[in-house]
Amino acid sequence: GNSVTQMEGPVTLSEEAFLTINCTYTATGYPSLFWYVQYPGEGLQLLLKATKADDKGSNKGFEATYRKETTSFHLEKGSVQVSDSAVYFCALYYGGATNKLIFGTGTLLAVQP
Amino acid sequence: EPEVTQTPSHQVTQMGQEVILRCVPISNHLYFYWYRQILGQKVEFLVSFYNNEISEKSEIFDDQFSVERPDGSNFTLKIRSTKLEDSAMYFCASSEPGGGSSYEQYFGPGTRLTVT
Repeated sequence: GNSVTQMEGPVTLSEEAFLTINCTYTATGYPSLFWYVQYPGEGLQLLLKATKADDKGSNKGFEATYRKETTSFHLEKGSVQVSDSAVYFCALYYGGATNKLIFGTGTLLAVQP
Repeated sequence: EPEVTQTPSHQVTQMGQEVILRCVPISNHLYFYWYRQILGQKVEFLVSFYNNEISEKSEIFDDQFSVERPDGSNFTLKIRSTKLEDSAMYFCASSEPGGGSSYEQYFGPGTRLTVT
């Protein structure tokens, strides 16, 4: 079946460090891929998305490229800030007969000053 | 900016009791969803709702669960007889009509349900 696998957290970084959070997926066909972020005490917010192979989603300095050959959608940021501390969720959406999002387990990022 | 709201933020209930979790989706949205996240586990899809009926549900969404859009603005999730394993964060989401490959769901802040 369709699934998403994320790297285990927590990820602890110093401010201005480079961030990578790995995400791989299993799916038939061509899903859309998303990264959601959950700041403490808040709901899930869409961070970025990509709808087809080789698309790059970007927002707030974060980027992720839809790699069909490796079935991956890794999240990267060149220089993290304390305010980026949150839980990050990778998700896929199939569309068509189903409207549900399939999420990974989430990765907690803690950025220290 | 429009947002999805949920009430209450935290609900504590005793096993066997009924609970109703409430959500107000974004006003022009037509698709509505409930997801849940048991502590430390994945966010899991429960149910989707469109045109006043369930369009899809997961195996988690058994006869103890029901959803309703009672008045055109609220969207509720009822658990008829709660179990300890229903303790989780419950997220409501909504999306615009149309869908397609660039489909986006907007999430509320969640209701933490604790069953004792």
